[in-house]
Amino acid sequence: DVKVTQSSRYLVKRTGEKVFLECVQDMDHENMFWYRQDPGLGLRLIYFSYDVKMKEKGDIPEGYSVSREKKERFSLILESASTNQTSMYLCAIGYEGSYEQYFGPGTRLTVT
Amino acid sequence: EDQVTQSPEALRLQEGESSSLNCSYTVSGLRGLFWYRQDPGKGPEFLFTLYSAGEEKEKERLKATLTKKESFLHITAPKPEDSATYLCAVQAVDTGFQKLVFGTGTRLLVSP
Repeated sequence: DVKVTQSSRYLVKRTGEKVFLECVQDMDHENMFWYRQDPGLGLRLIYFSYDVKMKEKGDIPEGYSVSREKKERFSLILESASTNQTSMYLCAIGYEGSYEQYFGPGTRLTVT
Repeated sequence: EDQVTQSPEALRLQEGESSSLNCSYTVSGLRGLFWYRQDPGKGPEFLFTLYSAGEEKEKERLKATLTKKESFLHITAPKPEDSATYLCAVQAVDTGFQKLVFGTGTRLLVSP
């Protein structure tokens, strides 16, 4: 079974702080994704990566950056957290050869 | 623009009362349609992938079907443990990567 872990289940940060959210997979999957989930808006893609050091913007990349230095780890960075970034953040991995994505448990981030 | 609309937003059933959830989609060319289950505060759990009209997939009390415009998730004789939010997502053929477009989900509550 695929295992996707996220560094924190709950996180509370202050406005202006730099925030790191980490995602780690236990297999050798190339494709990794970061989404945010908000009530009434569904899941929206922030960034994805298809290989080490490779990244592409999703639908809502503003205010975020990402880092993928090793294949198993994909980090989402909030350079200067704002209250409108309060959300549930979900990491996912994608299998090559099929199209499903498998999600981690999520990080509930609150910015005050 | 690819779009996914799920209905109803919320559904309340008695244990044993069968029903269906709807996912209508607009996509330039469908690569796949995906169903997920999400429990409160957790990441989505993959259920099914459907690739072409007429295809059906089953898992326990759940059965997913696909037409050219919509998908249904049929729940037969539901139990309280089936209570969750069910998410539908599509992936377009012309997507250069594994981008999923999600609906906002149907919240299902099954009462004993």
